[in-house]
Amino acid sequence: RKEVEQDPGPFNVPEGATVAFNCTYSNSASQSFFWYRQDCRKEPKLLMSVYSSGNEDGRFTAQLNRASQYISLLIRDSKLSDSATYLCVAKGSNTGNQFYFGTGTSLTVIP
Amino acid sequence: NAGVTQTPKFRVLKTGQSMTLLCAQDMNHEYMYWYRQDPGMGLRLIHYSVGEGTTAKGEVPDGYNVSRLKKQNFLLGLESAAPSQTSVYFCASSEDRDGGYTFGSGTRLTVV
Repeated sequence: RKEVEQDPGPFNVPEGATVAFNCTYSNSASQSFFWYRQDCRKEPKLLMSVYSSGNEDGRFTAQLNRASQYISLLIRDSKLSDSATYLCVAKGSNTGNQFYFGTGTSLTVIP
Repeated sequence: NAGVTQTPKFRVLKTGQSMTLLCAQDMNHEYMYWYRQDPGMGLRLIHYSVGEGTTAKGEVPDGYNVSRLKKQNFLLGLESAAPSQTSVYFCASSEDRDGGYTFGSGTRLTVV
């Protein structure tokens, strides 16, 4: 089983729509979670951390569900500039204390 | 503030050749990482360092070596390149072990 799994999509949504991505992780002891954004042929960039109580940054909301071992990212009022691949990250279950990246969910916002 | 700088940005190697990828960060971060990104595989950790003079293996270390002689630099070496090492390589750094990463812009390596 992969440490972190995401639905690859693609998600194609109209401007102004609300879209949500989920990501499951295998390490029940993981304490650190993130969402990154990656534009085509660019490096990943940190979008936001995911806190236990959930957190919001403008149009973006991240939530953690420990019981079901998934994290989510909600994007409200989608903009064309939100088109990118979104990567979720969690600590793995091995002893190396490593972060594992999901393969990403592709989002295209359509005019 | 340059952040994380990787050189070179592109390279084509012949099978069996060697090369070194350089990563430099100016944020005084302790932790540095080398990842490779392949289609459908996501980012996979090759090696990492928790401080100057230290290195450790990640998920896919075979065929690579690293060195961290100075805190700001993390070098990734390919001793004998193979076509399976064709990939995009990203370096990253973080302030602590649980912090978010700052990535470099990547090196696109093709081994023919």
